[in-house]
Amino acid sequence: DTGVSQDPRHKITKRGQNVTFRCDPISEHNRLYWYRQTLGQGPEFLTYFQNEAQLEKSRLLSDRFSAERPKGSFSTLEIQRTEQGDSAMYLCASSFGLDYGYTFGSGTRLTVV
Amino acid sequence: DAKTTQPTSMDCAEGRAANLPCNHSTISGNEYVYWYRQIHSQGPQYIIHGLKNNETNEMASLIITEDRKSSTLILPHATLRDTAVYYCIVRVARTGNQFYFGTGTSLTVIP
Repeated sequence: DTGVSQDPRHKITKRGQNVTFRCDPISEHNRLYWYRQTLGQGPEFLTYFQNEAQLEKSRLLSDRFSAERPKGSFSTLEIQRTEQGDSAMYLCASSFGLDYGYTFGSGTRLTVV
Repeated sequence: DAKTTQPTSMDCAEGRAANLPCNHSTISGNEYVYWYRQIHSQGPQYIIHGLKNNETNEMASLIITEDRKSSTLILPHATLRDTAVYYCIVRVARTGNQFYFGTGTSLTVIP
């Protein structure tokens, strides 16, 4: 297990379509985070899970966004009815315990045309 | 979580030490200082964190002032691969809270 894996790396979709991204964290990590990053900005927090429980959601996570982590392992982030403003890099990170830094994946770059 | 202030950009000659400053004048006693970096088109990478003592690992050193209102990340011998955006973040540890990334410092290592 070499790190956090995200799939796909790139996604181009038409406005109004639904998209789903997958994140596979480091296997022993119980916490999983989703962030979004637009050009020139730092990553912005979307939501996080401890095991399968979704513990916090940002205001950025509108009703069109939903995240799941059904068995406390991989996670999916779905965006329904995509808009051009959803174009961004979507980053997943995982951590073990509370005192450590995160390990990030390489992200999924979404382009909505 | 306390806010941080970092210079927008810095240059450093290859092989020299890169010293990246961060101000966090409103830091609370239970907040740690974390540093991450992000190389173009990759996810952020954890570098180091500390509370009040100076810390060193294989990547960098973290120097925190005695009043904890500022800190410096030191890359002792910068290489071209250290060109990245460096983020300084303060956060209460042992809470699982998310990290608030600002816009960071864009470090360019010059050959």
